[in-house]
Order: sequence, then C-alpha cells, then structure tokens
Amino acid sequence: KQEVTQIPAALSVPEGENLVLNCSFTDSAIYNLQWFRQDPGKGLTSLLLIQSSQREQTSGRLNASLDKSSGRSTLYIAASQPGDSATYLCAVSPPLYNNAGNMLTFGGGTRLMVKP
Amino acid sequence: DGGITQSPKYLFRKEGQNVTLSCEQNLNHDAMYWYRQDPGQGLRLIYYSQIVNDFQKGDIAEGYSVSREKKESFPLTVTSAQKNPTAFYLCATRDFGSGANVLTFGAGSRLTVL
Repeated sequence: KQEVTQIPAALSVPEGENLVLNCSFTDSAIYNLQWFRQDPGKGLTSLLLIQSSQREQTSGRLNASLDKSSGRSTLYIAASQPGDSATYLCAVSPPLYNNAGNMLTFGGGTRLMVKP
Repeated sequence: DGGITQSPKYLFRKEGQNVTLSCEQNLNHDAMYWYRQDPGQGLRLIYYSQIVNDFQKGDIAEGYSVSREKKESFPLTVTSAQKNPTAFYLCATRDFGSGANVLTFGAGSRLTVL
C-alpha cells in the first residue's frame, strides 16, 4: 500500500529565505504527483502537478521536482514571503490501469510559517 | 472555490445524531469524492462516485453513507455509527475529459461533535 511522508511536519523561517519541503513515497509506480496549498480552515489549492515522466515543474517562485526511482519529491520556494504561510501537502496518484476512482494518497503536510 | 460549494461550513452535532454535509458542483465534472482530514494528518478517502447512481467505498467508509442521484450533487451523511466524527470534511471533483487526473477541492465543512 502506498504511503506518503512529509518532513518536517512544521517549519518556521524568516522572510526572504529560500526553502525546500520534502515528500517521499513508498511505491514508485505513480501516475503523477501533486503539491497543494491549504490555508487554515480552507480547502486545497493545487500548486503544481508533475507527471511521472517529468522531472520538474515551475510556477513563479515555486519549483517542484520528482525523482520517481527514489520515491522523492521536493517543493522549492524561492524568496519566501509571509503570504506563503500555509500547510503544503503532496499527493500521489496510482497508474491509470490501477486507478480505481483516482485514489490519491496524501502526505500529512508541512505547516510553513514565514515570519516578517 | 472552483465551482464546488460545501455547506454548512461549520456544523455541531450531539452524539447519536446523523448529519448530512452537502457538496454541489457546477463544473460538470464526472467524479466526486469525500475526504476526511484530521489535525496534522493527510486526507483520507471516505467515498467516491464516478457516475450517477453509483459510488464506491474508500479507505474509511464505516459510519458514513452517500448518494449520487444527480451529477451535480454528492451529499455525505455522517451517521451515529461513526465513532469519532469530529473532523474537517473536504469534497472534491475530477473531470475525466481533461485527462490530467487532477482533483478540484471545495472549501470544506468542519464537523464538531459535542
């Protein structure tokens, strides 16, 4: 059974720092990996989607990488801002041939606090 | 929140009561999902539905029930059989036609059992 782990569970950094959030998964047979942002008491907003054949995706100050063979993904946030404070979750999707209803497996999230 | 409306946003329930959480979408997406989120934990799948009048159990379906009588709606009932129902509940949809296998989430409903 797929397991997704995110370390650290919480992170506090001063404004302006570059930072890396980590996501690891146990089964490398994935269709894609997504990074989400969740503000307190809110739903999830998709940030980046990396297909299994891709190595990285970029959106503004965010860069997500994927190393499927080692079961790892990182989310790099450049020049962090207080507005980046949120919980970041990663989720993996199984291969389409085994995708009974899009069973995303989520990590527990990393709670990020960027201090002014 | 991307055309998905969850209501109510906050709900309080006494032990032994059933409650129903609403999820309505105007995205014309095919599939709908219910997830549960506990503090500091990832999302766990409760039920999902890929077509009208059909739904499947997820990893933690016990104590919950759903219906999918129309494409736009996928209500979740938390029954008195659910031992620990206090949690944040998230509804999501997926468009089969996009091919991207991407979920769109609603804003969530927080259920507290008193």
